Amino acid sequence: GDSVTQMEGPVTLSEEAFLTINCTYTATGYPSLFWYVQYPGEGLQLLLKATKADDKGSNKGFEATYRKETTSFHLEKGSVQVSDSAVYFCALKGFQAGTALIFGKGTTLSVSS
Amino acid sequence: NAGVTQTPKFQVLKTGQSMTLQCAQDMNHNSMYWYRQDPGMGLRLIYYSASEGTTDKGEVPNGYNVSRLNKREFSLRLESAAPSQTSVYFCASGVRDGSYGYTFGSGTRLTVV
Repeated sequence: GDSVTQMEGPVTLSEEAFLTINCTYTATGYPSLFWYVQYPGEGLQLLLKATKADDKGSNKGFEATYRKETTSFHLEKGSVQVSDSAVYFCALKGFQAGTALIFGKGTTLSVSS
Repeated sequence: NAGVTQTPKFQVLKTGQSMTLQCAQDMNHNSMYWYRQDPGMGLRLIYYSASEGTTDKGEVPNGYNVSRLNKREFSLRLESAAPSQTSVYFCASGVRDGSYGYTFGSGTRLTVV
């Protein structure tokens, strides 16, 4: 079945460092791909998405490119801030109708000043 | 615009007690979902409703039941709570079948003692 694998955390960075969180997927057909962010004590918020190969999703300085050839959707940010400290989830929505989002296990990011 | 509203936010149950978690959305979304979040496990799908009048099991449905009361409301019931059901529960909703992502509620933190 479909699945998502993302890098284990925690990831600890200094402010203004470059961020990469790896995400790879297994799916039939052409799924839609997402990154969600969860701040402490809150629900998940959609950060960005891509619905077809080579699409780049972007939001708040974060970017991810849908790579069909490597089945990847890595999250990047050029300069992180303390306020980016959160848990990041990669997710996949299969192309079949009636299926639900499948999430990775989450990666905790901690940014220090 | 409230989005997805979950009640209660916190609950402590004794083993064997029953309770219903409520979820309502005001975005006219067709699909609704219940996930549980446990440390190191990411989000796992319990049940979902692709449209009003339909419900389907997800990855971890045992011990739970759901009701799609109308287009707005989707409740989750624990008939006989067990300590293994201690978790944070999230409700979400999506346009059509959720291919453009979900909107999440803020969660219910449930402890079963």
